[in-house]
Amino acid sequence: VMTQSPATLSVSPGERATLSCRASQSVSGALAWYHQKPGQPPRLLMYGASTRATGIPTRFSGSGSGTEFTLTISSLQSEDFAVYYCQQYNNWPFTFGPGTKVDI
Amino acid sequence: EVQLVESGGDLVQPGGSLRLSCAASGFTFGTYSMSWVRQAPGKGLEWVANIRQDGSEKYFEDSMKGRFTVSRDNARNSLYLQMNSLKSEDTAMYYCARGVELAFWGQGTPVTVSS
Repeated sequence: VMTQSPATLSVSPGERATLSCRASQSVSGALAWYHQKPGQPPRLLMYGASTRATGIPTRFSGSGSGTEFTLTISSLQSEDFAVYYCQQYNNWPFTFGPGTKVDI
Repeated sequence: EVQLVESGGDLVQPGGSLRLSCAASGFTFGTYSMSWVRQAPGKGLEWVANIRQDGSEKYFEDSMKGRFTVSRDNARNSLYLQMNSLKSEDTAMYYCARGVELAFWGQGTPVTVSS
């Protein structure tokens, strides 16, 4: 089971945002982050807990291993306001967290 | 350019069946595992199934075992999801995505299960 906190994060453009994801058992480093905007499919941000996907800006960074993970957005831009999901792919069934909504 | 295009979503009655398809292009389809992920209206993401590159191994979320079947045709660059005994709780947007680190997604195809 994946849990995320907080459920909602209200921040201002330019501020730093820190999102947390916790796994009920170790997933090693097999952890990905996505964000999703209304009416669109999710977009991969990070995989392997800390590797940015192609085209993802450097303001996004990921850390953690085992059961505790963090996604940090160093300076929020307008296009970053979305719902963020973590997902483990170490143990089947692969599972998503419930999401963190980042809004203004 | 990688493209994934889902089709086959529809309105279906409870207990009915649907077959979803996903047409892939822009990459060597047979070298990637493929996944189906769904999202109920206003809800989060739920992994449905994953199929290995050669179709030899398939994984399903527990609530879908025995009702859903995943298959692929590497010659046609296509992924399929056969859904039987559909329930209202299967109502969702169904996405196909590449791999297990889901770097590429389709736009989804909507499935509505209702009488």
